[in-house]
Amino acid sequence: AQKVTQAQTEISVVEKEDVTLDCVYETRDTTYYLFWYKQPPSGELVFLIRRNSFDEQNEISGRYSWNFQKSTSSFNFTITASQVVDSAVYFCALRGPAGGFKTIFGAGTRLFVKA
Amino acid sequence: GAVVSQHPSRVICKSGTSVKIECRSLDFQATTMFWYRQFPKQSLMLMATSNEGSKATYEQGVEKDKFLINHASLTLSTLTVTSAHPEDSSFYICSARDGAEGANYGYTFGSGTRLTVV
Repeated sequence: AQKVTQAQTEISVVEKEDVTLDCVYETRDTTYYLFWYKQPPSGELVFLIRRNSFDEQNEISGRYSWNFQKSTSSFNFTITASQVVDSAVYFCALRGPAGGFKTIFGAGTRLFVKA
Repeated sequence: GAVVSQHPSRVICKSGTSVKIECRSLDFQATTMFWYRQFPKQSLMLMATSNEGSKATYEQGVEKDKFLINHASLTLSTLTVTSAHPEDSSFYICSARDGAEGANYGYTFGSGTRLTVV
């Protein structure tokens, strides 16, 4: 079975703090894709990153960085120097053949960044 | 990049009426679209997979007679909530695949529809 676990339900930080959102996944696939999405209060899903299971390189995009550890089945997301505009719900997701290529979402982590 | 347009963004309807939500792929052909439902402060739950020209595949526990999905063309899928009741109030969001299965394709999401049944 495919499963995505985001153990942190809510995180509250003060602006300029760094924050890491955890994501642990389960799959029997050898080829799969991992995603992070941001959902601001307006509701739309904003795509942040897609990672192929064969690519374990960490990625940095501005204040965002991702740490993919296949050995621990984790795909953590770090926001550096957080800003109020980062306040949103963040979803980690998984897609692969074992799940019929359906995107399976984690429960989401609600991030509050206070000024 | 690929864009999926979803309408309406918000709809309020009376209990017992039906509501249609449209999901259009604007610059690509989407043979497969997915419909999700999201209750407040919860995750996105897949309702059904919509394939162009064939019947939708519903996830366990989703009433296919209540949530009618039509994918008549490569650019349009519709979700009709029939005889809506207050418990159907939710955020509905569609997603379209913009590439061939198994390839390094992307999935593009619509902006969602907030349905309130009064």
